Amino acid sequence: ILNVEQSPQSLHVQEGDSTNFTCSFPSSNFYALHWYRWETAKSPEALFVMTLNGDEKKKGQISATLNTKEGYSYLYIKGSQPEDSATYLCAFNPGNQFYFGTGTSLTVIP
Amino acid sequence: DTAVSQTPKYLVTQMGNDKSIKCEQNLGHDTMYWYKQDSKKFLKIMFSYNNKELIINETVPNRFSPKSPDKAHLNLHINSLELGDSAVYFCASSQETTGVYGYTFGSGTRLTVV
Repeated sequence: ILNVEQSPQSLHVQEGDSTNFTCSFPSSNFYALHWYRWETAKSPEALFVMTLNGDEKKKGQISATLNTKEGYSYLYIKGSQPEDSATYLCAFNPGNQFYFGTGTSLTVIP
Repeated sequence: DTAVSQTPKYLVTQMGNDKSIKCEQNLGHDTMYWYKQDSKKFLKIMFSYNNKELIINETVPNRFSPKSPDKAHLNLHINSLELGDSAVYFCASSQETTGVYGYTFGSGTRLTVV
């Protein structure tokens, strides 16, 4: 069983705060890593696809970095808004299939 | 126009029954998946099909049988339902087998076995 760990499990921030969370994965083999945004009662939506040769990814106020040597990826949200409230899920692929973390649940308080 | 659609959205059924969940994608993707979200909210892969052929079959009870009549459909049939089968089941698709470009998920089917 391959462990993909996300921390923290949940997070409450004030509107306007910047925040970040972590996805940790085994550093021995790396093929790809995905970040998904998952709103309640909806399905996960792909945010970023990160591959070995990838640079920092950015979409609006959300960005992601990757360190394959040490086995982690950070997701940053700058100036959080209430509509950013969701669970952020990462999925790691060592070469055969994707393994999902349990997500970080973000609540942005207006 | 929904990209990956699952039906039904909710399913409540008695122990011992046989039920099916349907999944269809209109993205032209080659690969489709079934995931189970367990009680700890992990998404665990159950099956993966590429162009109607089974490529991943994780350790799931053989009461679960996927059926792919064509590459746009991957249905999940469950025989002799048990209480422990209660979960949310997600269908997903990807452009190719590795899924490296990302998955598109359906909205999930909440199965409750009573």
